[in-house]
This record gives sequence, C-alpha cells and structure tokens, in this order.
Amino acid sequence: GENVEQHPSTLSVQEGDSAVIKCTYSDSASNYFPWYKQELGKRPQLIIDIRSNVGEKKDQRIAVTLNKTAKHFSLHITETQPEDSAVYFCAALRQGGSEKLVFGKGMKLTVNP
Amino acid sequence: DGGITQSPKYLFRKEGQNVTLSCEQNLNHDAMYWYRQDPGQGLRLIYYSQIVNDFQKGDIAEGYSVSREKKESFPLTVTSAQKNPTAFYLCASSLSGSGNEQFFGPGTRLTVL
Repeated sequence: GENVEQHPSTLSVQEGDSAVIKCTYSDSASNYFPWYKQELGKRPQLIIDIRSNVGEKKDQRIAVTLNKTAKHFSLHITETQPEDSAVYFCAALRQGGSEKLVFGKGMKLTVNP
Repeated sequence: DGGITQSPKYLFRKEGQNVTLSCEQNLNHDAMYWYRQDPGQGLRLIYYSQIVNDFQKGDIAEGYSVSREKKESFPLTVTSAQKNPTAFYLCASSLSGSGNEQFFGPGTRLTVL
C-alpha cells in the first residue's frame, strides 16, 4: 500500500522567512496530494491540494510542487506569520484505487515573532 | 467547518467497556471516515464508508466497529478488544472518495482510566 513520509518533523523560523515541508510517497499511481493545517486544539483543514496532471500550484503565500518522477511533493510558505504556526500534514491518494487518503506524520511549524 | 459534528468532546471509559463515538454531517456527503490521531503519528485511518450500508476497514481497524445506516451518521464503537484506545478521534466526510476535500469534525478525546 501507499506510504507517505514527511520531513522535517519540526521547523522553527523567524517571522518573514520562508518554510518548506517535504513529503515522499511510494505508490507511483497516487494522483491526488492535499495539504492540511491543524492549529493547536483545532480540526485539520485543507489549505491547498495538487493533482498529478500539474507540477505546481499557488495560492497567495503558499505553493505546492510535485515531482512525479521522484515521487515527492513540497509545501512552500513565504513571508511566514505567527498565525502560520501549526502542524501541517501532507497526504496522498490514488483515485480509482482504494480511495484511502494516506497521511504523513505531520510537521510542527513554529513562526517566531 | 460547519456541517460535521462529533460528540462528546471528551470521553472517559473504564477498561473493559465498549464506547460509541458519534459523528453526524449535514453536508450531504456520501463518504465518511474515522481517523485516530496520536502524538507524532499523524492521522491513521480506522474505517471508511463511501456509501450508505457499506464500509471498509482502514489501516488500524482491529478493536473498532462502525455502522452506516444513514447517510448523515457514521458512529464508531471502540470495543474492549482495542488494546490502547486512549487517543484523539477525528471523523471526516467528503462528497465522494475520489480526491475531494475531506472536512473534519472537531474530534473526540477518549481516555481510558
């Protein structure tokens, strides 16, 4: 089955810096890759997703890139703000397959003012 | 956030007792999911259901049971066979399993005394 690895597990940056979170996946047939943000004590929420027919997607300060050959995808956050502090989860799914979303273990991002 | 609820928020159980966690959604979503969240472990899938009266085991189904008698409801029973049930349980729903956003409930924190 699919296995998603996420690294680093923690990251601390200064406000205004950029942050990058990297994930790898094992199933080359996976074709949907969402990113979820979970603030302390709250539920996970989708912040951006990408499908395998595109290599990059942007939404304001966040962007996701996908390298299908290497089977890895990354989340980029620019101009970080304290409210970006949270746990970020990447995930992968193969549409038309088991339809199970497989999550990475999460990365705790701390943005210091 | 709205439309998917879980109850109770906190639940305490004695060893050897079964307990049922509630999950309700009014989003008219076909698919529903149960995840378990432990520190440093990410989100692990317990059971999922893509349609009423049908459900499949996830990656850690042992010691758990579910039912899907109504589209709106997907209760999870944690049985006495679950060896380490203390965890945070998240329910989610989506339009279907095919790469659509999963919306999460607020979660139930279960503690076994």
